[in-house]
Amino acid sequence: QKEVEQNSGPLSVPEGAIASLNCTYSDRVSQSFFWYRQYSGKSPELIMSIYSNGDKEDGRFTAQLNKASQYVSLLIRDSQPSDSATYLCAVQLSGGSYIPTFGRGTSLIVHP
Amino acid sequence: DGGITQSPKYLFRKEGQNVTLSCEQNLNHDAMYWYRQDPGQGLRLIYYSQIVNDFQKGDIAEGYSVSREKKESFPLTVTSAQKNPTAFYLCASRMNTNVETQYFGPGTRLLVL
Repeated sequence: QKEVEQNSGPLSVPEGAIASLNCTYSDRVSQSFFWYRQYSGKSPELIMSIYSNGDKEDGRFTAQLNKASQYVSLLIRDSQPSDSATYLCAVQLSGGSYIPTFGRGTSLIVHP
Repeated sequence: DGGITQSPKYLFRKEGQNVTLSCEQNLNHDAMYWYRQDPGQGLRLIYYSQIVNDFQKGDIAEGYSVSREKKESFPLTVTSAQKNPTAFYLCASRMNTNVETQYFGPGTRLLVL
């Protein structure tokens, strides 16, 4: 069974710090990796996607992928209180039904 | 504006009642999905459809039914057989390619009276 593991948190960081969110997955043939942000009471919003080993940067967000170690991480630089949310990691195989497997999410709290 | 819409935002169900949640997308996406989210449980897949007039059960299909008569629409019916329907229901859609992922609608919160 495919599994995606995330620390549920909450992860608490001060404003301006770097928040580091981690995700591990069990299926070695996974090809596509995504991070969603979900505010309380709202639906998940896609913020990052990564497909190859290494780093991918988009503004204050950096996704890091290491397929050999089967982990993907999300770094948020200069964290703001508005970044406080639950972050969901999703892992997707190539082909087949393209249904991603979601982790349960990590709750991030950025305090002023 | 392109996007995924869900209605209603809140829905109240009486005991023994069937209710239908609407999901519409104008993104020309091939596939559509229904998830249920409970606190601390993450997203659980109810049903999905990759093409019109075809759909598959997900992990927790019992007590639910769907139809896919049009590419744009994928309604979910919560039947009286679903004994614990209180949850946040999310509809998602995507193109059937390797690199595309799912995009979510705003959700419907279902409560039992």
